[in-house]
Amino acid sequence: EVQLLESGGGLVQPGGSLRLSCAASGFTFSSYVMNWVRQAPGKGLEWVSGISGSGGSTYYEDSVKGRFTVSRDNSKNTLYLQLNSLRVEDTAVYYCATAHTGYCTGGDCYVDMDYWGQGTLVTVSS
Amino acid sequence: NVLTQSPGTLSMSPGERATLSCRASQSVTSSNLAWYQQKPGQAPRLLIYGASSRATGTPDRFSGSGSGTDFTLSISRLEPEDFALYYCQQYGSSPLTFGGGTKVEIK
Repeated sequence: EVQLLESGGGLVQPGGSLRLSCAASGFTFSSYVMNWVRQAPGKGLEWVSGISGSGGSTYYEDSVKGRFTVSRDNSKNTLYLQLNSLRVEDTAVYYCATAHTGYCTGGDCYVDMDYWGQGTLVTVSS
Repeated sequence: NVLTQSPGTLSMSPGERATLSCRASQSVTSSNLAWYQQKPGQAPRLLIYGASSRATGTPDRFSGSGSGTDFTLSISRLEPEDFALYYCQQYGSSPLTFGGGTKVEIK
């Protein structure tokens, strides 16, 4: 059974940092593009970042470029998202999700997502 | 590519047919459009991909159609567990984008 378990969320002041983790099990982790998608309270979904199976290629939504860094440790079946220079508008539940179909190439990802974690809440507030 | 979903809320009774719309500001390449269902406090669940292919475990009362800029999710006979939020997502162009959602509520 595929399982994705996020952790690392919490309350942080504007300008602060957090590292989110997503522990994966039940599938060959290194074979899959992984994604982070966020959802602000009461709002819709927003794709944030993606990373290739090897970790060699990374992809970001424009508003987080230069502030967020996605990485993965395939030996630990774990996906990470380092959040720096956090803003109030980054407040959201952050989900990790596996790519289902599609592909990533160049600087872009074109994927839908089938397995999702339960999410971890990041609150940016003073 | 901005996705606009309509209506914002659909008030229906169990057993009725529901039709949800997703309109894109630009043509969606290769019909790379997906539909997700989300219930309160839960993660989204993939229902439809490639505009019309049902994901594993999606009941056959759910069907997707459309191409270009206009897409539809239909639920043939609403079951109690179908009352939820539904989002479309395009993956034909960068960045990936989601629609604002349609809430299907019990009338």
